[in-house]
Amino acid sequence: DAKTTQPTSMDCAEGRAANLPCNHSTISGNEYVYWYRQIHSQGPQYIIHGLKNNETNEMASLIITEDRKSSTLILPHATLRDTAVYYCIVIHNNAGNMLTFGGGTRLMVKP
Amino acid sequence: DGGITQSPKYLFRKEGQNVTLSCEQNLNHDAMYWYRQDPGQGLRLIYYSQIVNDFQKGDIAEGYSVSREKKESFPLTVTSAQKNPTAFYLCASSPGGANTEAFFGQGTRLTVV
Repeated sequence: DAKTTQPTSMDCAEGRAANLPCNHSTISGNEYVYWYRQIHSQGPQYIIHGLKNNETNEMASLIITEDRKSSTLILPHATLRDTAVYYCIVIHNNAGNMLTFGGGTRLMVKP
Repeated sequence: DGGITQSPKYLFRKEGQNVTLSCEQNLNHDAMYWYRQDPGQGLRLIYYSQIVNDFQKGDIAEGYSVSREKKESFPLTVTSAQKNPTAFYLCASSPGGANTEAFFGQGTRLTVV
């Protein structure tokens, strides 16, 4: 599976959009981009995923560049409860994939 | 309710003892995973299983063992061979395939004294 690179930490003001970048320059055509988040001392929570097209759900939007080498997770109106570690991972399109997590980005939403 | 359950939430053991962490899911998922997380660090894969009676080592399998006798259950044994067993352990399951999300349990915090 392709490796990902994320900033170690980011701050965001409450109510503003949080834009979390992820670099996956070695991604292959069959690999999906997934985002999870982990609030302190809890299990990670799925946010969103995509292959080529941009995706949006009730939690966030995922913007994938045309060359698929990077993506951005957007939380449109960050709240204090969005403070968490956000993980970007890529998963190959075959059954029983290993889910391999990197260090993630620690997002701090401030009042 | 459907979900993935880890028990217990907190576990204390004496050094040199084996300990088994429970992970059960009623989501009918084929794939299950075990991760270890140390303070301030990301998740590291210990073992994963794609299907009943089959499992593969992850990045840090030494000192751990698993079994997958039933689809619903994927217990992890932390053996005395694991040099630094104190950690937060997370179990996950997924239907399998890249276009499916994984669901995580709430974790077991193991402390070895």
